[in-house]
Amino acid sequence: AQSVTQLDSQVPVFEEAPVELRCNYSSSVSVYLFWYVQYPNQGLQLLLKYLSGSTLVKGINGFEAEFNKSQTSFHLRKPSVHISDTAEYFCAVSDLGANAGKSTFGDGTTLTVKP
Amino acid sequence: NAGVTQTPKFRVLKTGQSMTLLCAQDMNHEYMYWYRQDPGMGLRLIHYSVGEGTTAKGEVPDGYNVSRLKKQNFLLGLESAAPSQTSVYFCASSPGMGNQPQHFGDGTRLSIL
Repeated sequence: AQSVTQLDSQVPVFEEAPVELRCNYSSSVSVYLFWYVQYPNQGLQLLLKYLSGSTLVKGINGFEAEFNKSQTSFHLRKPSVHISDTAEYFCAVSDLGANAGKSTFGDGTTLTVKP
Repeated sequence: NAGVTQTPKFRVLKTGQSMTLLCAQDMNHEYMYWYRQDPGMGLRLIHYSVGEGTTAKGEVPDGYNVSRLKKQNFLLGLESAAPSQTSVYFCASSPGMGNQPQHFGDGTRLSIL
């Protein structure tokens, strides 16, 4: 069975500061990892994904994430945030096993960027 | 390109009433999903479908039924609405392979009085 833990439910940060949103996962098989963003009153949109290869993946809006297999983590980072990055962020995991096509989502992290 | 479209966007029901939420996708995806989102609880999978004519239970299926008569549509029904079903409902679709992300609609905000 898969599980995802987002370690911070809320992250307040000032504009232009760096930010890291933490995600740990567990799975008995090889996984694929995703970060989604949800702006107010909208559905989730894909930020970035890790499938294989380079452990550092870059996504939209200047975000990047690093896959660490030994620590089973997939933390999301941005070196300088903007007010417009205020949103909820979800980490998700899926695999090619019996649950292929189904993702397990974390509970979300609310990022609030203050001026 | 519409992607995933949910109808309606808002609805208020009285306890005991029934209703159907409609999800339509134009990406020819095999898999479709219904989630509910409640504060602090992330996304919880209600039901999903791996192809036309198929449905399966997710994490929180009680009180809901679904149908997938056409590949592009996935319907979520509440037969007798309860206040505990007040939530934001999201539909999503994907090609079905684990390495492909899900595509989400904008949600239906449902209040049960």
